[in-house]
Amino acid sequence: LAKTTQPISMDSYEGQEVNITCSHNNIATNDYITWYQQFPSQGPRFIIQGYKTKVTNEVASLFIPADRKSSTLSLPRVSLSDTAVYYCLVGDRGAGNMLTFGGGTRLMVKP
Amino acid sequence: GAVVSQHPSRVICKSGTSVKIECRSLDFQATTMFWYRQFPKQSLMLMATSNEGSKATYEQGVEKDKFLINHASLTLSTLTVTSAHPEDSSFYICSAPDRGGSSYEQYFGPGTRLTVT
Repeated sequence: LAKTTQPISMDSYEGQEVNITCSHNNIATNDYITWYQQFPSQGPRFIIQGYKTKVTNEVASLFIPADRKSSTLSLPRVSLSDTAVYYCLVGDRGAGNMLTFGGGTRLMVKP
Repeated sequence: GAVVSQHPSRVICKSGTSVKIECRSLDFQATTMFWYRQFPKQSLMLMATSNEGSKATYEQGVEKDKFLINHASLTLSTLTVTSAHPEDSSFYICSAPDRGGSSYEQYFGPGTRLTVT
């Protein structure tokens, strides 16, 4: 499984755009990139998934360069409620594939 | 999206007793479920893969005789912590993949906080 590297923590302020970058140099051809959000004492929640270029949904955008060795999760106009740990995971979407979590990025949004 | 539930959400038990944690997929079938453990301020660590109709697969370093897993049906997996000790106190989370539709997502339960006294 490809290993991921993320910043341990980030600080931001309400209303700002936050970009969290994840490095995954050993990503395989069949691997997808998925981001999860976790609040304290809760299970992780799916945010977004992509394979290449750009993916956007109602909560975030995911930017993946052509070499796919990194990806950037973009959260537009964060609020206090976006304070959480964000995990970048890389893996094959094949049947039964488990997820290996890295350290995650602890985002603190300040007023 | 799909929903995964866990029960109980919080349990306190005495050292030496056993505790059972249930993980259910509420609106989809899951032939595979995963069990994770998370200590404070740490990431999730995969413990085992629960397979419906067959034995669970345990990650290296996880004692299969201590953490018993039973995947009784396509919507239920249970994790039993046998002879629990204070060092087993942790946050236990299950997940299940929903392979329906065009997106492949893992859905996580809300977690179970186990405290062993």
